[in-house]
Amino acid sequence: GAGVSQSPSNKVTEKGKDVELRCDPISGHTALYWYRQRLGQGLEFLIYFQGNSAPDKSGLPSDRFSAERTGESVSTLTIQRTQQEDSAVYLCASSFRSPGTSGVGTDTQYFGPGTRLTVL
Amino acid sequence: ILNVEQSPQSLHVQEGDSTNFTCSFPSSNFYALHWYRWETAKSPEALFVMTLNGDEKKKGRISATLNTKEGYSYLYIKGSQPEDSATYLCAFGRGYNFNKFYFGSGTKLNVKP
Repeated sequence: GAGVSQSPSNKVTEKGKDVELRCDPISGHTALYWYRQRLGQGLEFLIYFQGNSAPDKSGLPSDRFSAERTGESVSTLTIQRTQQEDSAVYLCASSFRSPGTSGVGTDTQYFGPGTRLTVL
Repeated sequence: ILNVEQSPQSLHVQEGDSTNFTCSFPSSNFYALHWYRWETAKSPEALFVMTLNGDEKKKGRISATLNTKEGYSYLYIKGSQPEDSATYLCAFGRGYNFNKFYFGSGTKLNVKP
């Protein structure tokens, strides 16, 4: 596709349930990021994938959060035993090269439309 | 914890007004600063990528400046239009091998017709 896509666009779930969010990056983009924005707050980095390298998981808020990416394609973010504080818009972004590749910090991140997660 | 601050949090202007807002970031070990526009129900869209102290970038009525020594960037909108209404985000990248951006919480701009 032409852009980054995410599914579902909206997800309402009950506290304690598991959810899985999906991101399809732009074809050829080696870097993929997950962020979230809770109400009234800025974008919060969660996890970063670069090709086949080990992901940077330093932003994951707890061990209930995990993410996978197969090669340079689809990524899924899984939240287990959801809590109300997990309610947020979850955004995925991809870029052609990661900022750490050859010192490139100029590659724009292309964002998906986000998944709005509401935990009741 | 690395703080990227944007001010003001929100701004209401009339159509035709010019406006500006600020992104402040740590001045040490700067590598790149990105500006994004995030319209309601859409994805954040890149506006500018800035890497050099003194950089000035322009896209139509929108321009940005960068001061890496003192750690701030300004975004200017000349002659605001209702379609400029959006949240404007800045994202700071630190160090040569950084792998993530630190985002500010954004400035929400509302332009009234």
